[in-house]
Amino acid sequence: GAVVSQHPSRVICKSGTSVKIECRSLDFQATTMFWYRQFPKQSLMLMATSNEGSKATYEQGVEKDKFLINHASLTLSTLTVTSAHPEDSSFYICSARPPGLGETQYFGPGTRLLVL
Amino acid sequence: AQTVTQSQPEMSVQEAETVTLSCTYDTSESDYYLFWYKQPPSRQMILVIRQEAYKQQNATENRFSVNFQKAAKSFSLKISDSQLGDAAMYFCAYRGDEGETSGSRLTFGEGTQLTVNP
Repeated sequence: GAVVSQHPSRVICKSGTSVKIECRSLDFQATTMFWYRQFPKQSLMLMATSNEGSKATYEQGVEKDKFLINHASLTLSTLTVTSAHPEDSSFYICSARPPGLGETQYFGPGTRLLVL
Repeated sequence: AQTVTQSQPEMSVQEAETVTLSCTYDTSESDYYLFWYKQPPSRQMILVIRQEAYKQQNATENRFSVNFQKAAKSFSLKISDSQLGDAAMYFCAYRGDEGETSGSRLTFGEGTQLTVNP
């Protein structure tokens, strides 16, 4: 159990366009989802915490107008990279946490974004 | 703020041997959870093992076990009978309890790249 999917797995776009990444919890309801960014050979950096039905909480230094997060249902959160630029190229990973105390975060397979 | 430190950027082990990956953390919170995640070349993050801080008994999952030293704030991962499929980046992670300031966010260490030699 506890499967999280992400779509797309890989996307290439032109500079200035917007890209939407979907994160879905397939077999559980996730009141909280998280979005991370990972550069090659580095650790995961938390970008924002997404709570169903409310505004996301962004980490310091993350532009909320650049990285739009919507958590409209208990199984779906989306990250939209607006007006993407080459420096936004990275690996984006989402995770979802089932409700309940002490529950583990389960991760999606990640999305590789390349902005040309 | 909580910090997690993995002092071994790279480790290697012979197949069938045992290896220990180190992790230390710093926190002022009393209730928390510790995790080891594995990230193979596919980059899918896979939970290896978790430990609740209030439990004195070290967690074990098949060939994976931890040595949790709460006073020393140390949380090492031991992999026994290493297999080629264990080769991956391993991340140690901290999560505070719901009522703690850090909430449900995970704080990751820098990672240890494990190579398994045949």
